[in-house]
Amino acid sequence: DTAVSQTPKYLVTQMGNDKSIKCEQNLGHDTMYWYKQDSKKFLKIMFSYNNKELIINETVPNRFSPKSPDKAHLNLHINSLELGDSAVYFCASSVTEKLFFGSGTQLSVL
Amino acid sequence: SQQGEEDPQALSIQEGENATMNCSYKTSINNLQWYRQNSGRGLVHLILIRSNEREKHSGRLRVTLDTSKKSSSLLITASRAADTASYFCATDLTGGGNKLTFGTGTQLKVEL
Repeated sequence: DTAVSQTPKYLVTQMGNDKSIKCEQNLGHDTMYWYKQDSKKFLKIMFSYNNKELIINETVPNRFSPKSPDKAHLNLHINSLELGDSAVYFCASSVTEKLFFGSGTQLSVL
Repeated sequence: SQQGEEDPQALSIQEGENATMNCSYKTSINNLQWYRQNSGRGLVHLILIRSNEREKHSGRLRVTLDTSKKSSSLLITASRAADTASYFCATDLTGGGNKLTFGTGTQLKVEL
């Protein structure tokens, strides 16, 4: 009965590859997010969707493309992976000001 | 630089002691929130304090907010080993939680 679940938990890949991370929430929330946490634990918002519509895009490279097929799902596709993309990516959802986070996807680009 | 910055960066205490973490921010806010992150896990919401509130309690947690100084503190009383985690403040400038800006975090270690 996980509230916000994301897969995979670990992702190890070569530079230049394309990869996707999936996220699903069963909380009935309208808003979903992608956050990136770097090696210093700094957490920064990447995207926010409200009821399948993009509402925040925080100067993220075009190689990152979120997709929300319905309000319970928000996936993140990354093209042409670079070393600097290595980080932990968190999906989250909210209905008010409080965010509920998934357990993260640790992406390592070699 | 970040909107929120926590102080100290790391804190080590004995079980039963109190732990205090501080957060400073730069611009006016609608609310400020504290989250906990256990190692290898996602963030968990702890408490939210609105800009018109000065103090809030939840169990062993006490949060204060001083909007004139643009600062907040999180006090954990009678700490336990299970409180070992990183603690982040997050500021919400407009309300609604759509764009929280997180601080740099305080790594708390509670030793037996």
